Amino acid sequence: QVQLQESGPGLVKPSQTLSLTCTVSGGSISSGGYYWSWIRQHPGKGLEWIGYIYYSGSTYYNPSLKSRVTISVDTSKNQFSLKLSSVTAADTAVYYCARRNGDSPYNWFDPWGQGTLVTVSS
Amino acid sequence: SYVLTQPPSVSVAPGQTARITCGGNNIGSKSVHWYQQKPGQAPVLVVYDDSDRPSGIPERFSGSNSGNTATLTISRVEAGDEADYYCQVWDSSSDQVVFGGGTKLTVL
Repeated sequence: QVQLQESGPGLVKPSQTLSLTCTVSGGSISSGGYYWSWIRQHPGKGLEWIGYIYYSGSTYYNPSLKSRVTISVDTSKNQFSLKLSSVTAADTAVYYCARRNGDSPYNWFDPWGQGTLVTVSS
Repeated sequence: SYVLTQPPSVSVAPGQTARITCGGNNIGSKSVHWYQQKPGQAPVLVVYDDSDRPSGIPERFSGSNSGNTATLTISRVEAGDEADYYCQVWDSSSDQVVFGGGTKLTVL
């Protein structure tokens, strides 16, 4: 069964770039059929979709974050990554990686990683 | 952009039925997915495509979707069902995933 695990710094300074990696186990990213996603949750708040990537490199981003977001994939390591530039305190959140099932954008996210808290502070 | 509206909270006694709504313009034309999130944990899919259940999710969890409202129904509620519940759709007009604001289910 596929499992996802986020990793990266828990503290990022304002104006810097937040970088996170999601390692996939129990299945291969390059097998296709899924989109690999990033979703965040501000403290005590709801869920916000950031974007996702296909193993081929095709990406889709939340329009509100698009100018600052880059999602990339490394099939050799079975990982995908998130970079969010010019961060502010408003980017403090728990960041989740998740698998979006199938080729249709109408599909659901399952499974999810456990999440990692990233705090933006000097 | 498309907005999904959920009640902030729903309370129900053990053994009773909880209904959590998700409102959106013509949501009945979209596929709605529901997630359960317990404190300190990642969300877990409980219903997909309006009314289908992933393997391992109890039959007590069911969903429906029509008109401007989708509903997650939890029958015979247990203390362990206490959690936040989120609905989710894809909005084709803005090309983005949309989540509802979440509903906290309290088991009295």
